[in-house]
Amino acid sequence: GAGVSQSPSNKVTEKGKDVELRCDPISGHTALYWYRQSLGQGLEFLIYFQGNSAPDKSGLPSDRFSAERTGGSVSTLTIQRTQQEDSAVYLCASSLVRIVVYNEQFFGPGTRLTVL
Amino acid sequence: GENVEQHPSTLSVQEGDSAVIKCTYSDSASNYFPWYKQELGKRPQLIIDIRSNVGEKKDQRIAVTLNKTAKHFSLHITETQPEDSAVYFCAASRGTGRRALTFGSGTRLQVQP
Repeated sequence: GAGVSQSPSNKVTEKGKDVELRCDPISGHTALYWYRQSLGQGLEFLIYFQGNSAPDKSGLPSDRFSAERTGGSVSTLTIQRTQQEDSAVYLCASSLVRIVVYNEQFFGPGTRLTVL
Repeated sequence: GENVEQHPSTLSVQEGDSAVIKCTYSDSASNYFPWYKQELGKRPQLIIDIRSNVGEKKDQRIAVTLNKTAKHFSLHITETQPEDSAVYFCAASRGTGRRALTFGSGTRLQVQP
């Protein structure tokens, strides 16, 4: 079946512009995560959606970052007034969620964002 | 919150040798510890994981050990091959509630033929 998909694969924008990044999780996966990977660095948690619960936004670096997940499926990460330090690869992941069993997170290919 | 430290940042071994990557974590409530492999320009992929109710898990040439008392876990790759060359990330999660992973900073493994 199809894996996690993200679009666009690459985005170049000018400082101060807003950008939207899209994630399509694996069908049936109720959990969706956004991470950021700066060049040569590890993955930094941004936000987590689980079903109809309020999202965990504790990783968002500033109020310029926001995300939504419509209909429990597709998610959009929005960065307003982009800054050069926002340049990174933004990775989306999804997983099943069961109470006791811990489920693998499947990653998308990422969106490489470059802010000039 | 959770903090995961990973060492070494780079590791070069000869083909056929073993490679060991070590991670420590700070949150004693963490109980799920996956390892991801990321090849250049590709997405991270899970290679092995361990839950807190076991101390060791093995899958062919890959093994992971967990010491909950010391709050550290390690990845062991035996009989390394050039295709093992990649960046490896350890991670930790509470598993329930906030299931997001806290990642280590990564280890770039280079296997020399």
